[in-house]
Amino acid sequence: GQQLNQSPQSMFIQEGEDVSMNCTSSSIFNTWLWYKQDPGEGPVLLIALYKAGELTSNGRLTAQFGITRKDSFLNISASIPSDVGIYFCAGPGSARQLTFGSGTQLTVLP
Amino acid sequence: DVKVTQSSRYLVKRTGEKVFLECVQDMDHENMFWYRQDPGLGLRLIYFSYDVKMKEKGDIPEGYSVSREKKERFSLILESASTNQTSMYLCASSLMWGRHTEAFFGQGTRLTVV
Repeated sequence: GQQLNQSPQSMFIQEGEDVSMNCTSSSIFNTWLWYKQDPGEGPVLLIALYKAGELTSNGRLTAQFGITRKDSFLNISASIPSDVGIYFCAGPGSARQLTFGSGTQLTVLP
Repeated sequence: DVKVTQSSRYLVKRTGEKVFLECVQDMDHENMFWYRQDPGLGLRLIYFSYDVKMKEKGDIPEGYSVSREKKERFSLILESASTNQTSMYLCASSLMWGRHTEAFFGQGTRLTVV
């Protein structure tokens, strides 16, 4: 089945720094989704991308749908303490399922 | 806003008990999902349903069953709870498969089996 490789697995950054993470797929996707999960909570949808080359922003977050349709990037600018959490990429897999990346654990140091 | 509500945030059950985890969504979504989440293993799909009374196995269905008698409600059943089923359980829902496939999650149920 389809697999998503998400990197990095974890990041430790200083408050105010920019963050970048990415996902690559073994096959073409027609949608890319980015979620954030706060500790002890369910994932929350941050950004949805539907078109190759699309660049979409949500506040300090920017995500891009790769031209090859096999990758996507999420950038966070000027990180703040509440950015802490796990970030997941996801895309439509087979048989009506979403396929998820393994997640990037983000820690923001004061 | 889409709302997916799981009946419990925390549960503690004994080995061998039958456990019900309930999930309700208020957006008339066709698809509903149950995942479990364990450190280092990411989100793993247990079962999903694309219509009332329909169900499909996910990646790790063993030891679980599901029920969908009404469109808005999807239940996960642990027939005989075991300690290796201690985990975070997440319910999600989405529209019928197509261009917009965003899934929306509940707040999660942290289940401990002792």
